Amino acid sequence: SQTIHQWPATLVQPVGSPLSLECTVEGTSNPNLYWYRQAAGRGLQLLFYSVGIGQISSEVPQNLSASRPQDRQFILSSKKLLLSDSGFYLCASEDTVRGARGGELFFGEGSRLTVL
Amino acid sequence: GQNIDQPTEMTATEGAIVQINCTYQTSGFNGLFWYQQHAGEAPTFLSYNVLDGLEEKGRFSSFLSRSKGYSYLLLKELQMKDSASYLCAAVDSNYQLIWGAGTKLIIKP
Repeated sequence: SQTIHQWPATLVQPVGSPLSLECTVEGTSNPNLYWYRQAAGRGLQLLFYSVGIGQISSEVPQNLSASRPQDRQFILSSKKLLLSDSGFYLCASEDTVRGARGGELFFGEGSRLTVL
Repeated sequence: GQNIDQPTEMTATEGAIVQINCTYQTSGFNGLFWYQQHAGEAPTFLSYNVLDGLEEKGRFSSFLSRSKGYSYLLLKELQMKDSASYLCAAVDSNYQLIWGAGTKLIIKP
């Protein structure tokens, strides 16, 4: 099965500072990759997904961006953080053997971001 | 719109059985997932149903009724380590996952 590495695990950032969260995947090739945000007591909110290198789809307009420079690397960034960006961020990977989205997701350990 | 409903919180006793319900309304349907998430950790896969009926996997079972837009997760012989949130997610016609807010399950001795 896949292993998803995500870092940093925890970070506290001031408003207006930049952000970079990184995710790498082992154990699969050409996965679909996802960035989710989870607010306390809320469901997972899909932020971005990628079906291949350089291919990014944004689900929610915001001050965040994502990039996929390599097949198994996915990065979430912001130039200027807002208070509302605080939350638990999860990277997820999905095998594409069946050629479609909507399969089992493997999640990274998560990154807890607090913006002050 | 698309929607997933599941109870916010449930409490059960160690050794007992608990059923967590999930109803969904989606544009098309391509299956339903259940994930377990311990506090502060990432979700982990529990089950996937796409056909009507019950899927059993050890102490955990998942049921689906497509005609009713309904699923449940059944946990037997509850253990303290089962205290977690349980997330229901349906796959719509575009193969996007629609997530519920999760059910926090509290197990008491």
